[in-house]
Amino acid sequence: QQQVRQSPQSLTVWEGETAILNCSYEDSTFNYFPWYQQFPGEGPALLISISSVSDKKEDGRFTIFFNKREKKLSLHITDSQPGDSATYFCAASDRGSALGRLHFGAGTQLIVIP
Amino acid sequence: AQTIHQWPVAEIKAVGSPLSLGCTIKGKSSPNLYWYWQATGGTLQQLFYSITVGQVESVVQLNLSASRPKDDQFILSTEKLLLSHSGFYLCAWSPDWGAQDTQYFGPGTRLLVL
Repeated sequence: QQQVRQSPQSLTVWEGETAILNCSYEDSTFNYFPWYQQFPGEGPALLISISSVSDKKEDGRFTIFFNKREKKLSLHITDSQPGDSATYFCAASDRGSALGRLHFGAGTQLIVIP
Repeated sequence: AQTIHQWPVAEIKAVGSPLSLGCTIKGKSSPNLYWYWQATGGTLQQLFYSITVGQVESVVQLNLSASRPKDDQFILSTEKLLLSHSGFYLCAWSPDWGAQDTQYFGPGTRLLVL
């Protein structure tokens, strides 16, 4: 069973627009949600993260909105730039568990057209 | 600052041949270490994790094995490669306490099995 789901699979926006990437999860014990950004041929880089005690986390042009009741979250990228073109992975874990295993979604490929 | 190095950068190997991939972490003592596999265009699948020297736990084996011979070194290997082993192998580390699920990835090793 897929623990973390992402949509859309691919998203194309114009430069300057806001890109919205969606994520949902199954396990209600999940309480930590990092987003990773991956460029082709590189390892994923931690972009921004949120814990379940917050409903919003902002870092520059990147904002996570979190809805615990619906088990959904979204990553908003405002003023999208061509350099933001990458694959974005939503992940989830239960920080109460021994090791904190990360469960990754399938990713959203973002393309920003100049 | 912590740095993570993976070797080799890329490999082309024949089916049935052995494989050894390496990962080294510098600037962090006693990290948790992880191996992930990523199919082309796919999500990240955790394979192994290690919390200390000489101790490795399997998450998904895929006919691979892992070892941690030193505090800063993690090795992924197999004696007999399969076509299905092709993909992108990523090593990651996290702090040994606290935010264990905040994982930082290396640059990866691209493997093609023919």
